Amino acid sequence: LAKTTQPTSMDSYEGQEVNITCSHNNIATNDYITWYQQFPSQGPRFIIQGYKTKVTNEVASLFIPADRKSSTLSLPRVSLSDTAVYYCLVGDIGDKLIFGAGTRLAVHP
Amino acid sequence: NAGVTQTPKFQVLKTGQSMTLQCAQDMNHEYMSWYRQDPGMGLRLIHYSVGAGITDQGEVPNGYNVSRSTTEDFPLRLLSAAPSQTSVYFCASSLGSNEKLFFGSGTQLSVL
Repeated sequence: LAKTTQPTSMDSYEGQEVNITCSHNNIATNDYITWYQQFPSQGPRFIIQGYKTKVTNEVASLFIPADRKSSTLSLPRVSLSDTAVYYCLVGDIGDKLIFGAGTRLAVHP
Repeated sequence: NAGVTQTPKFQVLKTGQSMTLQCAQDMNHEYMSWYRQDPGMGLRLIHYSVGAGITDQGEVPNGYNVSRSTTEDFPLRLLSAAPSQTSVYFCASSLGSNEKLFFGSGTQLSVL
């Protein structure tokens, strides 16, 4: 079961790019890396998922180095509405999908 | 398409009472799970299921039971409620291997 480590909190300003790094040193061969976003009083929402190299969608990019022991979620040009908790998950279906404490991102005007 | 539906949204129990939190999904998802989230904390996995008839324990299973008699439903039973079980409970489901989780809107439970 791969354990993940993320920064507890981060601060940014509107319009900046935010990079949140997740460490997962004992990731298994079949494990994918998935990021979720959670707003207060809501369930987490899927942002992006990847296995290796780079994945990009309409809201974020995910960078995964060759050794896959870490990953970086990149949010381009954040706005106040990106203030949320971001979780990195590592696991395969059938595994216990453990969320961890997440990273609290605060975006300031 | 309703997605993942949790009921009730709010519940107050007295210590020692039992109750069932309901979770239903209409997406034909095989994988379902229950999490609890205490104030200011991350989500902790209680129980999960990879298909009908199959359940397994998560990080914090004590005091909770689950069953998965159908693909659609995954109820969570509190056997004898304790104040330590005061939390927000989220149900989630996913289609299959390495697919994204869809979450319900949560049940806020208070045990007095």
